[in-house]
Amino acid sequence: DTEVTQTPKHLVMGMTNKKSLKCEQHMGHRAMYWYKQKAKKPPELMFVYSYEKLSINESVPSRFSPECPNSSLLNLHLHALQPEDSALYLCASSQAGGAVEETQYFGPGTRLLVL
Amino acid sequence: GQNIDQPTEMTATEGAIVQINCTYQTSGFNGLFWYQQHAGEAPTFLSYNVLDGLEEKGRFSSFLSRSKGYSYLLLKELQMKDSASYLCAVPAGANNLFFGTGTRLTVIP
Repeated sequence: DTEVTQTPKHLVMGMTNKKSLKCEQHMGHRAMYWYKQKAKKPPELMFVYSYEKLSINESVPSRFSPECPNSSLLNLHLHALQPEDSALYLCASSQAGGAVEETQYFGPGTRLLVL
Repeated sequence: GQNIDQPTEMTATEGAIVQINCTYQTSGFNGLFWYQQHAGEAPTFLSYNVLDGLEEKGRFSSFLSRSKGYSYLLLKELQMKDSASYLCAVPAGANNLFFGTGTRLTVIP
């Protein structure tokens, strides 16, 4: 299994809603990532978990809350989002999370629209 | 810090060859990645170069010159399905991949 899966594929939410994005991989990877990508822009790193511990938080607002229940699963909890948070949210994983040259494998993304 | 420059858009004809350039500045070089991203889809890994020279993988090849801070992706025998964005990226510390803005390639018949 060389796939990173993400659910849901699309999500529409109001600014007062609470929702969660889910990501799963079964490649035995120990690092997992959340990226945000706006249209025609490159992915921007939000969070990195390495061995289920948060290792990088790129100054993301607290309305985004990551969770890594185990080495295969990564969640992103959303609360009180703003319309400008509408974007494609990409999950990725890599083997061990310690080497700079590791290849990251991306999921198909969740397209989020905040109204 | 890191900086990456790529052309924003390119157009090429089906069956032709196209070269997508990337220049980078980074504090401490740890290799360079190329990813392909179709519209609305996830980036998919194409290549990783850490040594100078050309690496060929089927229709796609990637070149690196560390002394010039320069890489290119060469696509041969272009197909319509190659229409996509091509992202150049460099590691910015462990677990951290810094992406360029990408080159949007359109293949025309």
